[in-house]
Amino acid sequence: AQKVTQAQTEISVVEKEDVTLDCVYETRDTTYYLFWYKQPPSGELVFLIRRNSFDEQNEISGRYSWNFQKSTSSFNFTITASQVVDSAVYFCALSEANNNDMRFGAGTRLTVKP
Amino acid sequence: DTGVSQNPRHKITKRGQNVTFRCDPISEHNRLYWYRQTLGQGPEFLTYFQNEAQLEKSRLLSDRFSAERPKGSFSTLEIQRTEQGDSAMYLCASSLIGYEQFFGPGTRLTVL
Repeated sequence: AQKVTQAQTEISVVEKEDVTLDCVYETRDTTYYLFWYKQPPSGELVFLIRRNSFDEQNEISGRYSWNFQKSTSSFNFTITASQVVDSAVYFCALSEANNNDMRFGAGTRLTVKP
Repeated sequence: DTGVSQNPRHKITKRGQNVTFRCDPISEHNRLYWYRQTLGQGPEFLTYFQNEAQLEKSRLLSDRFSAERPKGSFSTLEIQRTEQGDSAMYLCASSLIGYEQFFGPGTRLTVL
């Protein structure tokens, strides 16, 4: 069965600090997909990244970077030089190739203070 | 606006009433998903369609819940005989096969 754990319930940082959001997943499939979504106070989930299980290369997009490590079943998300607008709930999710539902973690609420 | 849209955005109903929500996906997307999100939790999968066919249903989807996508475009989610435990945000998402899902703004249901 697939499972996603986001152990950090809430994180608070001061603007310009770097912050890493942890995500640990469980799956028996060898082919799966990992995702991060952002849910700002407005409520709409915003897609950030999709990674397949065969691509362990880290990815950087502006101030965002993702570290995928199959050895530890982790897919961590780092925001560099955080900004107030980064304040949101961030969800990590897993989708197995043979299932079509996406299993979400419980989310991490990030607050960036000015 | 070419994103996923959902109507209504908010619905307040009394226990025992029926409610229906609508989702309009991104036009070229052939997959449509329904999720439920309660406070402090991540979205939970309910069901999904590929074109007009409902291919998977979660055990969370009790007999009181029914979803349709009659022409492979918009979808409706109906809850019959609502209960207070049905209060949640109902999210719709759409995608192309094998690609990421894009979510709508959700319908917040409050059952009194």
